[in-house]
Amino acid sequence: DAGITQSPRHKVTETGTPVTLRCHQTENHRYMYWYRQDPGHGLRLIHYSYGVKDTDKGEVSDGYSVSRSKTEDFLLTLESATSSQTSVYFCAISELTRDIHSGANVLTFGAGSRLTVL
Amino acid sequence: AQKVTQAQTEISVVEKEDVTLDCVYETRDTTYYLFWYKQPPSGELVFLIRRNSFDEQNEISGRYSWNFQKSTSSFNFTITASQVVDSAVYFCALSEGDTGGFKTIFGAGTRLFVKA
Repeated sequence: DAGITQSPRHKVTETGTPVTLRCHQTENHRYMYWYRQDPGHGLRLIHYSYGVKDTDKGEVSDGYSVSRSKTEDFLLTLESATSSQTSVYFCAISELTRDIHSGANVLTFGAGSRLTVL
Repeated sequence: AQKVTQAQTEISVVEKEDVTLDCVYETRDTTYYLFWYKQPPSGELVFLIRRNSFDEQNEISGRYSWNFQKSTSSFNFTITASQVVDSAVYFCALSEGDTGGFKTIFGAGTRLFVKA
């Protein structure tokens, strides 16, 4: 295993409730990402982190917040879930280098978290 | 702005046929990375290949080959003698900048069905 786990793997919730998804890595990678996967849209970046307490928005950040208080954990929070946030959420990690010939800069993904908002 | 287009939504082939998955990208950067990832029916995402913008050499790995052409902004993926196990969704992706890791953008994916 790549050392990246997501929890919960499945969750059903109701509109308006808060939801937190957790991503935990044991690789000590600096960079962590949250994507959502929807039919016809592929994977879309929600938020990413480039270090502890350093985060930034991706393509589809509205309605989501993130936190990273430790290198190994990256939390995604839906403050008030809506049906449009029903999706499969993937966490990813990477380590970057300015050496363009290196084998880094590749995303390693978690197994995904399927969220259904009723 | 960066963009990845995979115009083929679904492709269906019979086993042993060759198949090419198209990927067209847009970027303003001169330094960027291109990737292909595979998502089999089990749902995990698996890295297949990475190319940087300075290396246009085509690459072959077993039955897989990749054709990178900067002149047409394309990074196409060919599977030779397809097998049922190749059935999956394939994503092309792009990262800009000299770090190559921020904001990796994905195409919508191409679902490949390989029939026995």
